[in-house]
Amino acid sequence: GDSVTQMEGPVTLSEEAFLTINCTYTATGYPSLFWYVQYPGEGLQLLLKATKADDKGSNKGFEATYRKETTSFHLEKGSVQVSDSAVYFCALSSKAAGNKLTFGGGTRVLVKP
Amino acid sequence: SQTIHQWPATLVQPVGSPLSLECTVEGTSNPNLYWYRQAAGRGLQLLFYSVGIGQISSEVPQNLSASRPQDRQFILSSKKLLLSDSGFYLCAWSSFAGGTDTQYFGPGTRLTVL
Repeated sequence: GDSVTQMEGPVTLSEEAFLTINCTYTATGYPSLFWYVQYPGEGLQLLLKATKADDKGSNKGFEATYRKETTSFHLEKGSVQVSDSAVYFCALSSKAAGNKLTFGGGTRVLVKP
Repeated sequence: SQTIHQWPATLVQPVGSPLSLECTVEGTSNPNLYWYRQAAGRGLQLLFYSVGIGQISSEVPQNLSASRPQDRQFILSSKKLLLSDSGFYLCAWSSFAGGTDTQYFGPGTRLTVL
C-alpha cells in the first residue's frame, strides 16, 4: 500500500536559518503530493501541493519539488521565522487508493529568536 | 469561497456518555467529507469518509459512527465514549477540481474523555 516517510523531529532552528524537511513516499502510479502545516491547537492548513513529476509547489516562502526518480518531496524554506514554528505533514493521494490521503507522521519545527 | 466549520471546539465528557460532533461546509456542493482523529503527539488516522448523502465508509472498526444527513453536513457520533476516544477530531472536505482531489481541513474539536 501507499506510505509516506518523513524525518522525525523536533527540528530546532534559529531565526533566519535554512529549513529542510525530508519526505519520501511509496505509491503505485502517479500520486499527488502535499505539504500541510498545523499550528498549535489548530487544524491542518494546505501549504503547497504538486500533481506531477518535476512540478514545484510554493507558498509563503516554502518550496517542494516532486521528484519521481527519488520518490521524494522535500520541503524547504530559505529563512525561517518564529511564526513558522508548527508541525509539518507530508501526504500523498493516489487514484489507486481512491484519492484518500496517506500522511507521514509529522515533523515538529521549533524556531527560536 | 469555501469554509468549513466544526463544533464544539472543545469538549470534556465522562466515560460512557454519548458524543455528537458536527461539521458543516459552505460554498461548495457535493463535497467528499472526511473525519480524522489525531491522538496526542501522533499522526492522523482516517476514521470515515463520505462521497454523498447517506453514503459512509468506515476505515477502522471502533466505537464511533458517522452520518451525513445533508449534502454539506457530517456528524461523528458515539453511544458510549471510551477513554481511548480522547483526541483531536478533524473534519475535512475535498472536491475533484482540476484533476486533483485536495482536502481542506476544519479547525478541529478537542475531545477529552475522563
